[in-house]
Amino acid sequence: GAVVSQHPSRVICKSGTSVKIECRSLDFQATTMFWYRQFPKQSLMLMATSNEGSKATYEQGVEKDKFLINHASLTLSTLTVTSAHPEDSSFYICSATAGGSHDTQYFGPGTRLTVL
Amino acid sequence: ELKVEQNPLFLSMQEGKNYTIYCNYSTTSDRLYWYRQDPGKSLESLFVLLSNGAVKQEGRLMASLDTKARLSTLHITAAVHDLSATYFCAVEDTVDSNYQLIWGAGTKLIIKP
Repeated sequence: GAVVSQHPSRVICKSGTSVKIECRSLDFQATTMFWYRQFPKQSLMLMATSNEGSKATYEQGVEKDKFLINHASLTLSTLTVTSAHPEDSSFYICSATAGGSHDTQYFGPGTRLTVL
Repeated sequence: ELKVEQNPLFLSMQEGKNYTIYCNYSTTSDRLYWYRQDPGKSLESLFVLLSNGAVKQEGRLMASLDTKARLSTLHITAAVHDLSATYFCAVEDTVDSNYQLIWGAGTKLIIKP
């Protein structure tokens, strides 16, 4: 149980384009989903927390207009990187909990974004 | 502000040896997690520790929590090559940020055959 999927696993795009990453909880309803990014050889950096049906809460320094998060259902959250630039290249990982933010997070497999 | 420190950050060891990874944190917390990450992959949950004195074991890995010392350890017994990975501890921030996980920097473990 507690499986989280992400799609796509890898994406390469041109600078200036937008990329959408999907995060799905496959066998449970995720009341809360988290989006992280990870640079090579570094730890995870929380970008935002989203609860189903409400606006995402972004961490300080994360541009909400650039990283659009939609948590439209209890099993799906999307992260859209708008007008991507090479510095947005990173490993993006989502996680989900069934019991709100105070619960074990189950992580998706991650999405490797490369912006040329 | 909750801070989490892991050490060592890098560990190279021979198969069959024992070693311990340490995770210190700066303020009170109710939950501590250990995760494993393989290169290019996402995170795999290993343990969640919920109370002082909690000890959990899975195979060659054993995790413990001392909330008074604000210290968790991940002990590796008779290491095998398959345990090579990066290990992260994460501590739940119950004071400042609504249960956000605060992450350690990770310990890259290389086990040589």
